Amino acid sequence: EADIYQTPRYLVIGTGKKITLECSQTMGHDKMYWYQQDPGMELHLIHYSYGVNSTEKGDLSSESTVSRIRTEHFPLTLESARPSHTSQYLCASSESQAGDSMRQFFGPGTRLTVL
Amino acid sequence: QKEVEQDPGPLSVPEGAIVSLNCTYSNSAFQYFMWYRQYSRKGPELLMYTYSSGNKEDGRFTAQVDKSSKYISLFIRDSQPSDSATYLCAMVDSNYQLIWGAGTKLIIKP
Repeated sequence: EADIYQTPRYLVIGTGKKITLECSQTMGHDKMYWYQQDPGMELHLIHYSYGVNSTEKGDLSSESTVSRIRTEHFPLTLESARPSHTSQYLCASSESQAGDSMRQFFGPGTRLTVL
Repeated sequence: QKEVEQDPGPLSVPEGAIVSLNCTYSNSAFQYFMWYRQYSRKGPELLMYTYSSGNKEDGRFTAQVDKSSKYISLFIRDSQPSDSATYLCAMVDSNYQLIWGAGTKLIIKP
């Protein structure tokens, strides 16, 4: 079954740790996205990718980095986590055609807490 | 000022009621308007989308766009407890990126 996966679902870590949030999709989508979602707030785009070896920063300033070495995999890395990084991180994917890119498929999210 | 405004709720209604969820926006260039539903501990899923002004119906759900007022609505008829979720509106900008509302939490009481 075509789907989009995120691991871990929950993560509690100490300040200064390096972490990688994993995202994989089995739908063969070219476009992938990382969003940050805080309670009662709109989703903010932090990174996106049009395909392999393509990565772009989104609207929200972020200290994270991403890579896209394989179509199905789009990990997000925080080199040194801080309490301000505490949030829910959502990964999504979509078709690449302009009209189809509106339909984004989301993973279940990773809830990150930095102590 | 945010580009998309959405009342966070929560909105609590009895089962069977008609629900009206709304968003206002400021950018007149938006052409595509979308509603996503997000259950607790899940990612959002696309419910409906419309292009330009007008109505679109899908089962118990109706999406309405009024571009002259920069106002969109989602109506849910015969609401069910399973409709309890957060409903997010989203609009597509000129770069085909989604601009999101903050979401309205809906509670349907049995």
